[in-house]
Order: sequence, then C-alpha cells, then structure tokens
Amino acid sequence: QQQVKQSPQSLIVQKGGISIINCAYENTAFDYFPWYQQFPGKGPALLIAIRPDVSEKKEGRFTISFNKSAKQFSLHIMDSQPGDSATYFCAAGPVYGNNRLAFGKGNQVVVIP
Amino acid sequence: DTAVSQTPKYLVTQMGNDKSIKCEQNLGHDTMYWYKQDSKKFLKIMFSYNNKELIINETVPNRFSPKSPDKAHLNLHINSLELGDSAVYFCASSPFREGLETQYFGPGTRLLVL
Repeated sequence: QQQVKQSPQSLIVQKGGISIINCAYENTAFDYFPWYQQFPGKGPALLIAIRPDVSEKKEGRFTISFNKSAKQFSLHIMDSQPGDSATYFCAAGPVYGNNRLAFGKGNQVVVIP
Repeated sequence: DTAVSQTPKYLVTQMGNDKSIKCEQNLGHDTMYWYKQDSKKFLKIMFSYNNKELIINETVPNRFSPKSPDKAHLNLHINSLELGDSAVYFCASSPFREGLETQYFGPGTRLLVL
C-alpha cells in the first residue's frame, strides 16, 4: 500500500519558471515531511523538511507548503534552473517511531534553458 | 571525506550466485538502513539497524540478510540471486536523537543479475 502519493510523475519547466510537485499522505500519525533530491547516479539527499506546526517553510528558492486538514504537502521551486533537473522524492513518517520514512514514487523534473 | 560509502559501486553477476554489498558511515550515526530502488526509481526500505540491533525488517525474501558488525557498518548479503534482484541498493544512516532525523544516503550499488 502506497502511503505517500506523489504527482505529477514528471514535469518539464522552462528556466525561470516555477516547478510544483504535490504529495498526499494517509497516515495521520505522520508528522515529519521531508523532500529529497536525487541527481542521476547519486544517492538521494535531503533538500528541505517540514513539521506540521507550520504551514510553510522556505529555504532559498525551495518552499514546502503544508495542508494538514487535506493531508497534502507540496514543493515549490521558484526561478527553476537547469541545475535543478533531478528526481524529487517526498517522504513522510512519525517523528517518534522507529525512524521509518515512507517515500513517494519520485518525480522527475527537467528544467529546459 | 565520504560520509556514507558503499562497495562495490557496480556488481554484475549470474543468477544463483551469492554476493555481498558493504556499507560504512563515518558520521557517528546510530541508525543505518538498506533501501532498494527499482528501475522506476521507487525507493523501498528493506532493513534498518540501530546500534547493531535490527529495528526494521520489511517483507523481503530471506535470501537477503543484513549484518551489522558495529554501528558504523551495515552489510547486505544476498543468496541465490534472481533476475528480479537487479536494482540500485542504497545504504543510508541517520542520528537517533529524538525522533526522525535526516537520512544520509550513500552513492548506491548498481546490481545487475544476468
């Protein structure tokens, strides 16, 4: 059972545009929501994470928006650059548990010059 | 300095063989993981160890056996390899302070079973 559903599956954006990836989760016990970025041939790396005490978190050009009632969160990449072309994974888990994260299926973002 | 390292980076082998993948982290973390990433990039947790103790054991064939000789190392041994085992295997580690923390992934081991 897919605990975290990610959409769209792939995204092509012009340089300077906004990339938006959405995630939905089902387990109300989840209260930690990270986004991981993976470049080809590399392992995933944490990009940004949020906990549900805030509805938005921004780090540079990357913003997470969180909607607790809808059980959804999204990643916004502002002023997208070709170097942002990567696969993005959302994940979710309970802060206090056994360190288990449920990952979404990943979203490939391609930023064209 | 490499934080989480895996060896080998590539592994090509025949069906039925037994192989091992090694993982080491120099971050001083207490928790280590093995993930499998299939051809569609889906990341699936396989195992997790905390201070050499198995804490997550997902439904994987018992041909897969993790071994943690110390908290800095987590190896994965696979017996009787099958075609469906072809994937990228990632090791990861995280601190175990209070609750979920950032997981640091290794570069992956690309396994191809022929």
